[in-house]
Amino acid sequence: DTEVTQTPKHLVMGMTNKKSLKCEQHMGHRAMYWYKQKAKKPPELMFVYSYEKLSINESVPSRFSPECPNSSLLNLHLHALQPEDSALYLCASSQGSGKADTQYFGPGTRLTVL
Amino acid sequence: QKEVEQNSGPLSVPEGAIASLNCTYSDRVSQSFFWYRQYSGKSPELIMSIYSNGDKEDGRFTAQLNKASQYVSLLIRDSQPSDSATYLCADLSGQLTFGSGTQLTVLP
Repeated sequence: DTEVTQTPKHLVMGMTNKKSLKCEQHMGHRAMYWYKQKAKKPPELMFVYSYEKLSINESVPSRFSPECPNSSLLNLHLHALQPEDSALYLCASSQGSGKADTQYFGPGTRLTVL
Repeated sequence: QKEVEQNSGPLSVPEGAIASLNCTYSDRVSQSFFWYRQYSGKSPELIMSIYSNGDKEDGRFTAQLNKASQYVSLLIRDSQPSDSATYLCADLSGQLTFGSGTQLTVLP
């Protein structure tokens, strides 16, 4: 089973709203990731939780805030977003170590910021 | 800064032909490479991984790795219209770095 689930599938929010994206995996993986993907571009890494330690891409604005309640769950809290933040947000998970550390992606959340 | 480059495409091949997708990488110590397929509006789906020099075959797909030339390729034999998608090459060295993707269209 290589399933990563994400909710919601679609989200429309205003610039003053606060919302959260959720991701879950039951593969026993110890690393989880958030990526942002704009149209016709490859995924860009935003955050990594590996063995419950957070690594941040320093170019990610503070209006994005990750949370990892446990090794199976990953949230992305959104606050005061801008229209240019509209994108497909992808969650992935992997075992967290080794050169064969394959990442498996969830279906994504399509975010639109008005 | 680590870079992964793909032939930008788009690439069109007739049904039944071989599609050849190519990728070069800049980090000489990279050891792990992945090919993902992404249909429009969907998330990336793992096609193959390759870690050793040479060829790795899985059904109609063959991945090739040449570490001396820092080159990775994916061959799709007997291409089908359902193979029409964007193919992403990725290098795992520290973090997963993607190429820009090659859009493949298989014409019926």
